[in-house]
Amino acid sequence: GAVVSQHPSRVICKSGTSVKIECRSLDFQATTMFWYRQFPKQSLMLMATSNEGSKATYEQGVEKDKFLINHASLTLSTLTVTSAHPEDSSFYICSALTGVSNQPQHFGDGTRLSIL
Amino acid sequence: AQTVTQSQPEMSVQEAETVTLSCTYDTSESDYYLFWYKQPPSRQMILVIRQEAYKQQNATENRFSVNFQKAAKSFSLKISDSQLGDAAMYFCAYRSATYSGGGADGLTFGKGTHLIIQP
Repeated sequence: GAVVSQHPSRVICKSGTSVKIECRSLDFQATTMFWYRQFPKQSLMLMATSNEGSKATYEQGVEKDKFLINHASLTLSTLTVTSAHPEDSSFYICSALTGVSNQPQHFGDGTRLSIL
Repeated sequence: AQTVTQSQPEMSVQEAETVTLSCTYDTSESDYYLFWYKQPPSRQMILVIRQEAYKQQNATENRFSVNFQKAAKSFSLKISDSQLGDAAMYFCAYRSATYSGGGADGLTFGKGTHLIIQP
């Protein structure tokens, strides 16, 4: 149980393109979903927290107009990288949390984004 | 804000031996969760073990165990009988147990330790 599906797994696109990444909880309802970014050989950094039906909360230094997050249902959150540039190239990974406070986050398999 | 420090960028151990990965953290909270995640080259995040701060007993999962010292804010991971499949990046992570106004908090990760298993 507790499977999180993230799609696509790999994206290569031209500079200026907007890219949408989906994160779905397949067998549970995710009250909260998180988006992380991981640059090569570095740790995961929390970008934003999204709760179903409300606006996402962004971490300091993360541009909310650049990284649009929508959590329209209890099983789906999307991250849209708008007008992507080469410096946005990174590994983006989502995680989902149920409403039970002591449960760990369940991670998707990540999306490798490469902007040419 | 909480911080998590992993002071060992890389560790190497012989197969079947025991290795300990260190992690310290800084927080003013009294209730929180600590985790160790494994990230193999596939970059999947795999939960290895977790500890609830209010529990004094150290968590154990088969060959993996932790040494949780709350007063010292230390949370080390011991891997016994190391296997080739244990080779990966290991991240220590912290999460508050207190729900903020926006709901549950995300994880704060350390920089990771690259574990090498020598055959």
